[in-house]
Amino acid sequence: KNEVEQSPQNLTAQEGEFITINCSYSVGISALHWLQQHPGGGIVSLFMLSSGKKKHGRLIATINIQEKHSSLHITASHPRDSAVYICAVTPGGYGGSQGNLIFGKGTKLSVKP
Amino acid sequence: DAMVIQNPRYQVTQFGKPVTLSCSQTLNHNVMYWYQQKSSQAPKLLFHYYDKDFNNEADTPDNFQSRRPNTSFCFLDIRSPGLGDAAMYLCATSRWTGADTQYFGPGTRLTVL
Repeated sequence: KNEVEQSPQNLTAQEGEFITINCSYSVGISALHWLQQHPGGGIVSLFMLSSGKKKHGRLIATINIQEKHSSLHITASHPRDSAVYICAVTPGGYGGSQGNLIFGKGTKLSVKP
Repeated sequence: DAMVIQNPRYQVTQFGKPVTLSCSQTLNHNVMYWYQQKSSQAPKLLFHYYDKDFNNEADTPDNFQSRRPNTSFCFLDIRSPGLGDAAMYLCATSRWTGADTQYFGPGTRLTVL
């Protein structure tokens, strides 16, 4: 079992739909990251969070430390949101740490016009 | 403004012919990372530098080497590329290791003929 699990693996939505991508992890963490990768492109960091909720534009990320679960929400989805969304964690107690991220396998999102 | 720059974006080499990939950053970050990402897989950390201190992942093949001549630049050298080394190579930076946002470059796609 992977230490970071994402669901769904693939997601197709119609433009304007509200989208949720889920991430569960089984290790102690000091932070959780949501990353976005467009086809053939580099990775963009969307959020880093260790508690609560963060919002940036149409993107919202939440984390529940007790349940070891995070969600990424996209409101009013648009075709330009089509990308792979990756959940990654910085293991906790790793301190002074190697900065190694443990990655989920990603969720491929396709938003149709 | 580009913050993490990778050159070239596409690199074609022949089996066994050494190749060097370049990464530069304008963020003045302490840490620089090299990841290998194969198709439909999560990025895999090869090694990272904290300032001049080199940290190699245990399972990184000896075929992969790195140099960081100064804060801004980091190079990935593949001494004898094999077909299995064809991948996207991603450079990233962060201010420190541990729970910090990593800033990724656009990647270099390596093809081995």
